Amino acid sequence: NAGVMQNPRHLVRRRGQEARLRCSPMKGHSHVYWYRQLPEEGLKFMVYLQKENIIDESGMPKERFSAEFPKEGPSILRIQQVVRGDSAAYFCASSPQGDNQPQHFGDGTRLSIL
Amino acid sequence: QKEVEQDPGPLSVPEGAIVSLNCTYSNSAFQYFMWYRQYSRKGPELLMYTYSSGNKEDGRFTAQVDKSSKYISLFIRDSQPSDSATYLCAMKDSGGGADGLTFGKGTHLIIQP
Repeated sequence: NAGVMQNPRHLVRRRGQEARLRCSPMKGHSHVYWYRQLPEEGLKFMVYLQKENIIDESGMPKERFSAEFPKEGPSILRIQQVVRGDSAAYFCASSPQGDNQPQHFGDGTRLSIL
Repeated sequence: QKEVEQDPGPLSVPEGAIVSLNCTYSNSAFQYFMWYRQYSRKGPELLMYTYSSGNKEDGRFTAQVDKSSKYISLFIRDSQPSDSATYLCAMKDSGGGADGLTFGKGTHLIIQP
């Protein structure tokens, strides 16, 4: 499967725990984007990363959320001390190197907070 | 005023009809316009990607952009039950590090067999 791979597909956490969401971009893609889709809301941009660099994190909540895209391995979106309001679908997209390339999405991780 | 407005529907049409989906936006800096299709419990699938104003056709799909009116459309010809999904418009400016897409909330489309 050459598409964007996200895991896990479903994640359940209790309030106060940590959630780690992983994203492997499409083969040949070096840019990764994370989006959040709340119930009854549209997709909202969170962060844009290239290998070992955060390019734009203007959509990230200021506390508890962090993202990385290491030299080796998948991109990770980390949510510390989760709260009920973090329940959402989190989508990752990737694009090839170059300006204004189209973004292709994975099938998301559905995070539920008990 | 939201940056991107999209009627959530549902929009229900009979099989074979021409479907028209639309979005309006307020940010004149948007230069790139996309349409994605999203099935339930799946990720958005890119259908059309256009730059600036004009038309683009791909099979049964035609995308139109009117930057003077800040209005974009997606037309689906010969609609099929398999086209039933949520259609999301998305847009972005010309870059400079701001590569996050701005989405509409999506229109839920139902094609009746």
